[in-house]
Amino acid sequence: AQTVTQSQPEMSVQEAETVTLSCTYDTSESDYYLFWYKQPPSRQMILVIRQEAYKQQNATENRFSVNFQKAAKSFSLKISDSQLGDAAMYFCAPNNAGNMLTFGGGTRLMVKP
Amino acid sequence: NAGVTQTPKFRVLKTGQSMTLLCAQDMNHEYMYWYRQDPGMGLRLIHYSVGEGTTAKGEVPDGYNVSRLKKQNFLLGLESAAPSQTSVYFCASGALAGGPTDTQYFGPGTRLTVL
Repeated sequence: AQTVTQSQPEMSVQEAETVTLSCTYDTSESDYYLFWYKQPPSRQMILVIRQEAYKQQNATENRFSVNFQKAAKSFSLKISDSQLGDAAMYFCAPNNAGNMLTFGGGTRLMVKP
Repeated sequence: NAGVTQTPKFRVLKTGQSMTLLCAQDMNHEYMYWYRQDPGMGLRLIHYSVGEGTTAKGEVPDGYNVSRLKKQNFLLGLESAAPSQTSVYFCASGALAGGPTDTQYFGPGTRLTVL
């Protein structure tokens, strides 16, 4: 079974600054994907970024990038130029061979104007 | 293209009552999933389906049943609701595992309260 740990229950960042959210996981899978989902107060789950575990290059989507360390089983999310709309819960989730996601407990990100 | 839709959005039940949550997707995805999210926690998988007519148990299946009679629909049933089933329920769909689009797409959620 997979386990996912997000060690930061809450994080705060000043608008326009950079913040990094941490995620570590444990898996026996050799090939898998990793995802960061954002959940704003509307509770809709929104995909932020995804990473294929077999790729060494870190994924980037506009202001969002990841630092993927496969050997360490670490998958952190960096948000640059933080905006008020980035305030939300963020969940890290690896999948398995059956494409089932295991979610971490989440990190609540607050953005200060 | 509506993506993933869920019916209803809110529901209040009394202990022992039954209900069915409906999930529909228009993306022709093979895989569909039901998750629950309790306050302050991440989502946990209840049941999933890898294709029409097939279902399987996830992490927390007790007290729930599912059916996938049509590819586009995935139903979650509670036969005898209990207060411990008070939660927000999310449906998701995704393409075949291992394919180029392994992303799961989520519905808006159903908030269920069991009194």
